[in-house]
Amino acid sequence: EPEVTQTPSHQVTQMGQEVILRCVPISNHLYFYWYRQILGQKVEFLVSFYNNEISEKSEIFDDQFSVERPDGSNFTLKIRSTKLEDSAMYFCASSLDRGRVETQYFGPGTRLLVL
Amino acid sequence: AQSVTQPDIHITVSEGASLELRCNYSYGATPYLFWYVQSPGQGLQLLLKYFSGDTLVQGIKGFEAEFKRSQSSFNLRKPSVHWSDAAEYFCAVGAGLTGGGNKLTFGTGTQLKVEL
Repeated sequence: EPEVTQTPSHQVTQMGQEVILRCVPISNHLYFYWYRQILGQKVEFLVSFYNNEISEKSEIFDDQFSVERPDGSNFTLKIRSTKLEDSAMYFCASSLDRGRVETQYFGPGTRLLVL
Repeated sequence: AQSVTQPDIHITVSEGASLELRCNYSYGATPYLFWYVQSPGQGLQLLLKYFSGDTLVQGIKGFEAEFKRSQSSFNLRKPSVHWSDAAEYFCAVGAGLTGGGNKLTFGTGTQLKVEL
């Protein structure tokens, strides 16, 4: 069964450093998403991406964040200058369509720790 | 804006017992509701979803959920829990196209422990 994969599973970085989180969505999917979950809090939407551009983003997704689909398979989330409060689990998801009830398939997450 | 509340942070049940996980939502239009499960080290797996029609929906792994508009609830149930059901369960609402687009808003999750 096709699945979304994410690398790395864990990342530790120093405050102020840049990190890139990588995701490989399901191959025929067209819509891609990033969510994050700060420990003990809700899973929160960050951004959705379609046709090589951002289709929607939350207020969390400020100028420190960017997304890219550098090739036909990877989908990346970059945090330019990490802050302590960026420590969280980051989930990538993909869907075939952006319909209201279209299932989003999630990856296992990358746990980011900023020291 | 839409929101989801899962009032129970932790629930412990005995194997073979019935289970009900509570979910309440707030959304101005017709909600599109989902239950996801996350096992340790795994991604969020969809259990079931509701968008219209029969208010009792069946999902994978023997789970079902009932949409009750009058109570703004979408509780997840299973008649007999198995030890492998121990995981974290998330309720989510998907915004309609005229509202928040295609994003999911999640609850804080309920951690299920199953005693043998």
